[in-house]
Amino acid sequence: KAGVTQTPRYLIKTRGQQVTLSCSPISGHRSVSWYQQTPGQGLQFLFEYFSETQRNKGNFPGRFSGRQFSNSRSEMNVSTLELGDSALYLCASSMQGFRTDTQYFGPGTRLTVL
Amino acid sequence: ILNVEQSPQSLHVQEGDSTNFTCSFPSSNFYALHWYRWETAKSPEALFVMTLNGDEKKKGRISATLNTKEGYSYLYIKGSQPEDSATYLCAFDTGRRALTFGSGTRLQVQP
Repeated sequence: KAGVTQTPRYLIKTRGQQVTLSCSPISGHRSVSWYQQTPGQGLQFLFEYFSETQRNKGNFPGRFSGRQFSNSRSEMNVSTLELGDSALYLCASSMQGFRTDTQYFGPGTRLTVL
Repeated sequence: ILNVEQSPQSLHVQEGDSTNFTCSFPSSNFYALHWYRWETAKSPEALFVMTLNGDEKKKGRISATLNTKEGYSYLYIKGSQPEDSATYLCAFDTGRRALTFGSGTRLQVQP
């Protein structure tokens, strides 16, 4: 079974631009979560989607948004990029997001904002 | 703000040594605790999902225990090998499916 895939793997943008990252979950998984990793803050939860609905959102500004499609693929968008948005963005998928469900992570997208 | 702490921050051991790490988390609103192993340039690899007080899980030479009443979990590695070198992360879940991660324990196993 293929794992979680994320595209692109690397991105370089400039301040003020916007960016869209994509995540394809493991086949059959319906829950997709997004995390941001920065050296100073570690891994932080952004949001979680299930059946095209956002179920939870972390403490991030409204510039960070996401969506999920009917095939469970998910995208996250960051508008008006700031230098501090430079980070590794990871997505994780699980069957339904139940208590005992394992979240399987993708390799991440490394975003650099200049 | 949830506080998940891991100790030690880093550990250097010799091949064959056994080692253990600690993850401390709030004892209230416990839902699940996840352990991950993260090697450089790879995806975090799920090790265990623990949900019940007293849970003990094992995967090969790696095992974990859980105490939800006092808010801690231990991860043990028996007979460490160089390929065990990685950062080990624990993540606390209050039921919102929003994992709160600790900062990790970086393990280096010398051959």
